[in-house]
Amino acid sequence: TQLLEQSPQFLSIQEGENLTVYCNSSSVFSSLQWYRQEPGEGPVLLVTVVTGGEVKKLKRLTFQFGDARKDSSLHITAAQPGDTGLYLCAGSRSGGSNYKLTFGKGTLLTVNP
Amino acid sequence: DADVTQTPRNRITKTGKRIMLECSQTKGHDRMYWYRQDPGLGLRLIYYSFDVKDINKGEISDGYSVSRQAQAKFSLSLESAIPNQTALYFCATSDFVGYEQYFGPGTRLTVT
Repeated sequence: TQLLEQSPQFLSIQEGENLTVYCNSSSVFSSLQWYRQEPGEGPVLLVTVVTGGEVKKLKRLTFQFGDARKDSSLHITAAQPGDTGLYLCAGSRSGGSNYKLTFGKGTLLTVNP
Repeated sequence: DADVTQTPRNRITKTGKRIMLECSQTKGHDRMYWYRQDPGLGLRLIYYSFDVKDINKGEISDGYSVSRQAQAKFSLSLESAIPNQTALYFCATSDFVGYEQYFGPGTRLTVT
């Protein structure tokens, strides 16, 4: 079983602070996705990374895929209350099973005004 | 309008009742999925469908069945609901690549 471990499980910070959350595995993934889920809603896809060492930026969010494609990080600069939510990472294997996503359990982020 | 819709959004039912959750999408995707989300367990795949005639079991299909009525519609049934099926249920879609999935808003199901 391929597992994705996310840390920290919970994170509460003040508006304006920076933070990093992590997604780690002992297995190699062909792609990795980050989703954000708000209370009462479904996960919303933020980004996909597919190349080892790849870095993608989405406004104040920076996503990185590890060189060995076993881990990923999400860094938020100057967090805002609107960033509050559950951040999920999900990985897929190569070949014909790339639709079978393995999800981490998530990091619940609270940004206090 | 939302690309993936689910009905109902909330449902409370009793043990032993049959219940159907419905999903519709306007993204034009062929692939559709049903997941359940439980605290501490994350998202787990129940069933998935590549087209109307191609339906497959996921990792936790026992106690569930599905029907793909059309490319845009995929429903999940609990034939005889039990309390440990209390969870959030999500429908998702993807194109043929598969790994970028788009989720509906979810159904909160409570079985008493």
